[in-house]
Amino acid sequence: DVKVTQSSRYLVKRTGEKVFLECVQDMDHENMFWYRQDPGLGLRLIYFSYDVKMKEKGDIPEGYSVSREKKERFSLILESASTNQTSMYLCASRPTGNSGANVLTFGAGSRLTVL
Amino acid sequence: AQRVTQPEKLLSVFKGAPVELKCNYSYSGSPELFWYVQYSRQRLQLLLRHISRESIKGFTADLNKGETSFHLKKPFAQEEDSAMYYCALLGGNEKLTFGTGTRLTIIP
Repeated sequence: DVKVTQSSRYLVKRTGEKVFLECVQDMDHENMFWYRQDPGLGLRLIYFSYDVKMKEKGDIPEGYSVSREKKERFSLILESASTNQTSMYLCASRPTGNSGANVLTFGAGSRLTVL
Repeated sequence: AQRVTQPEKLLSVFKGAPVELKCNYSYSGSPELFWYVQYSRQRLQLLLRHISRESIKGFTADLNKGETSFHLKKPFAQEEDSAMYYCALLGGNEKLTFGTGTRLTIIP
């Protein structure tokens, strides 16, 4: 009954590497989100997308980019990973519509360590 | 700008005692507010939302627009309530803003 799938649970990368975090949802949701979760800082929105090929910057987009070529898939890209991007990354989705739809479904998370 | 403040990073409560997790918000319009919970080794999930006005797992939360608060309450804490709790606000720009979270520990 898994609805939001993040392809990698744990990744270890080196500084300067290009990193792809993949997220797929099977609920036909229009909206998809990438957050990072850090102790003491809570969840901070990196990017979100409300439609295919559309993207909007969140609160901390610097150092990240995203891709949404298909409705079900939303990828987070770190062009050149740095140690301060070591974090837990959470993908989420929700449909567009009435207020009953304003609930996020989260993936299990991808823990990225940059050495 | 919208902001959510959870003043307590850590909260420890004895089993059977009342629980209150505080949440204050800043938003110029009419917000929609949520509590999300993350149990150990589980995904972040919705606990409750203010428009539903329901009680989930014994928890309730009332939106107080005068005090701009949405505190989460439970009259009698249970061990299984130990988790990380996040308050979140949905503004008119479709952006969901989370607080920094409160880790609740129930002491047996």
